[in-house]
Amino acid sequence: GDSVTQMEGPVTLSEEAFLTINCTYTATGYPSLFWYVQYPGEGLQLLLKATKADDKGSNKGFEATYRKETTSFHLEKGSVQVSDSAVYFCALLTGNQFYFGTGTSLTVIP
Amino acid sequence: NAGVTQTPKFQVLKTGQSMTLQCAQDMNHNSMYWYRQDPGMGLRLIYYSASEGTTDKGEVPNGYNVSRLNKREFSLRLESAAPSQTSVYFCASIVHLGGELFFGEGSRLTVL
Repeated sequence: GDSVTQMEGPVTLSEEAFLTINCTYTATGYPSLFWYVQYPGEGLQLLLKATKADDKGSNKGFEATYRKETTSFHLEKGSVQVSDSAVYFCALLTGNQFYFGTGTSLTVIP
Repeated sequence: NAGVTQTPKFQVLKTGQSMTLQCAQDMNHNSMYWYRQDPGMGLRLIYYSASEGTTDKGEVPNGYNVSRLNKREFSLRLESAAPSQTSVYFCASIVHLGGELFFGEGSRLTVL
């Protein structure tokens, strides 16, 4: 069935370090792909999305490119800040259902 | 700008008790979802409602029932709570597929 696999955390980085969180997917058809972020005590919020192959989603300095050949949608940021500390979820939409990864916890230390 | 509102935010139940989690959205969205979030397992879909008057099972529906009362409201009921249902529950809605999924702030349920 359809699913998302993302790298396990937790991930701890120093401020201004480069971030990569890996995400791969399995899906029939042509899913849309998303990254959601969850700050402590809150619900999930959309960070970025891509709806077709080779699309790049970007927001707040984060980027992810929809790679159909490698079935991947890795999240990257060139220089993380303390305020980026959160849990990040990769997700795909196929049919009328969303499938979420298990989440990757990121802590950025000053 | 309420978005998706869930009540209650916290609840403690004893095994066998029943309760209903309420969810309402004020964005005129068509589809609504109930997820549970457990450590190491991410979000798992319990039930969803693609449109008013329809509901469908998700990945983990056992022990739950839902009602799409109208376009705004989608409730989740636990008829006989079990400790395995201790979790954080999220309601979400979307105006159309491919759009943004909006989440409520979550309801933390503990079953003793």
